[in-house]
Amino acid sequence: ETGVTQTPRHLVMGMTNKKSLKCEQHLGHNAMYWYKQSAKKPLELMFVYNFKEQTENNSVPSRFSPECPNSSHLFLHLHTLQPEDSALYLCASSHPSLDTQYFGPGTRLTVL
Amino acid sequence: QQQVKQSPQSLIVQKGGISIINCAYENTAFDYFPWYQQFPGKGPALLIAIRPDVSEKKEGRFTISFNKSAKQFSLHIMDSQPGDSATYFCAAYGTSGSARQLTFGSGTQLTVLP
Repeated sequence: ETGVTQTPRHLVMGMTNKKSLKCEQHLGHNAMYWYKQSAKKPLELMFVYNFKEQTENNSVPSRFSPECPNSSHLFLHLHTLQPEDSALYLCASSHPSLDTQYFGPGTRLTVL
Repeated sequence: QQQVKQSPQSLIVQKGGISIINCAYENTAFDYFPWYQQFPGKGPALLIAIRPDVSEKKEGRFTISFNKSAKQFSLHIMDSQPGDSATYFCAAYGTSGSARQLTFGSGTQLTVLP
């Protein structure tokens, strides 16, 4: 087990819904990440948090809103999504000075 | 702009054969090159990694070959087994601002036939 959990594992939502994805890591790491994984495309880094501070936002649309209340928890708030946002959303964590990221199992999101 | 190009997109190998996946990068500032393995329903997991001052790294049946001048690296899986069937991603680390960032290739779906 990687020590990174994500809930829910599957989510179906309409374009007008508001939902949140949750990530929790039990590894004592201080950096957390959100990635988007679409079929046959590279994983896309969305957000990076170091010590609860957002350090990267890779031009992600504002309909995705991250929140990191502490170094163990990371949320991704979703609102007014588009069908093209359907993908697997992966959370990862790492020690800031070590080059190994540990991934959760992901949330499979479908936007109708 | 895709900074790490990976091929092939899919690969079918017979049990006992050698699986080879290739990657090429553009950014010479990349300084660490991991490979991740992903099984269905799971997140990617680190398989093996190499730094650019080393030309080869071997861990069990998995070997990374690295060619710094050509900006290419590859994963070789010897004696491939059906349990190796998964999606493999090459990746490259660089520093952006104060953070280390991982750039992934597009993945190779490996199927090892029994």
